[in-house]
Amino acid sequence: GENVEQHPSTLSVQEGDSAVIKCTYSDSASNYFPWYKQELGKGPQLIIDIRSNVGEKKDQRIAVTLNKTAKHFSLHITETQPEDSAVYFCAASTGFQKLVFGTGTRLLVSP
Amino acid sequence: SAVISQKPSRDICQRGTSLTIQCQVDSQVTMMFWYRQQPGQSLTLIATANQGSEATYESGFVIDKFPISRPNLTFSTLTVSNMSPEDSSIYLCSVGKGLAASETQYFGPGTRLLVL
Repeated sequence: GENVEQHPSTLSVQEGDSAVIKCTYSDSASNYFPWYKQELGKGPQLIIDIRSNVGEKKDQRIAVTLNKTAKHFSLHITETQPEDSAVYFCAASTGFQKLVFGTGTRLLVSP
Repeated sequence: SAVISQKPSRDICQRGTSLTIQCQVDSQVTMMFWYRQQPGQSLTLIATANQGSEATYESGFVIDKFPISRPNLTFSTLTVSNMSPEDSSIYLCSVGKGLAASETQYFGPGTRLLVL
C-alpha cells in the first residue's frame, strides 16, 4: 500500500524566515496531495492541496510543489509568523478519497 | 467547505466499557470517514462510513471493536468497544462532499479519549 514519509519532524525558524517541509510517497497511482495544519487541541485544517495534473500551486504565503517523477511534494511557507506554529501533515490519496498521512512536522516560529 | 461537529469533545472512560462518538455535518456529504490519532502520532484511517450499508474497514480495524453507523448523509457514529488503555487517542471524522478520487476532505475537531 501507499507509504508517505515526511521530513523534518521538527523545524524551528525565526519570524520572517521561510519554512520548507518535504514528503515522498510510494504509490505512483496517488493523484491528490493535501496539506493540513493542526493546532493544539484542534482537528486538522486543510491549508492547501495539489492534484497530479499540476506542478505548483500558491496561495498567498503558502505554496506546494509536486514532482511526480521523483514522487515527492513540498510545502513552502514564506514570511513565517508566530501563528504559523503548529503541526503540519502531508497526505496522499490512493483512491476512493482514502488519505495516507505523513508523520507530521512540528513547526515553531520564534518572534 | 463543511462545518463538522463531534460529540463528546473529550471523555475519560474505564477499561472494558464502550463509548459512542457522534459526527454531525451541516450539509449533505457523500463520503464520511473515521480516523484515529494516537498521542503525538499521525492519523490512521479506521474505516469509511457508508450510508445505508456496512462500513468498509482498513487493515487492522474490525467491526466488533469499532462498529460504525451512518443512517443518513449528515450523521455518523463510531463506537469504541471494550476499551483498553491502548485505545486512548483522538478520534476524528472527516467528510468529502463529492465522489471524485481527489475530493477535498474536511475534518472535525476530534474526540479526545482517555481510557484508564
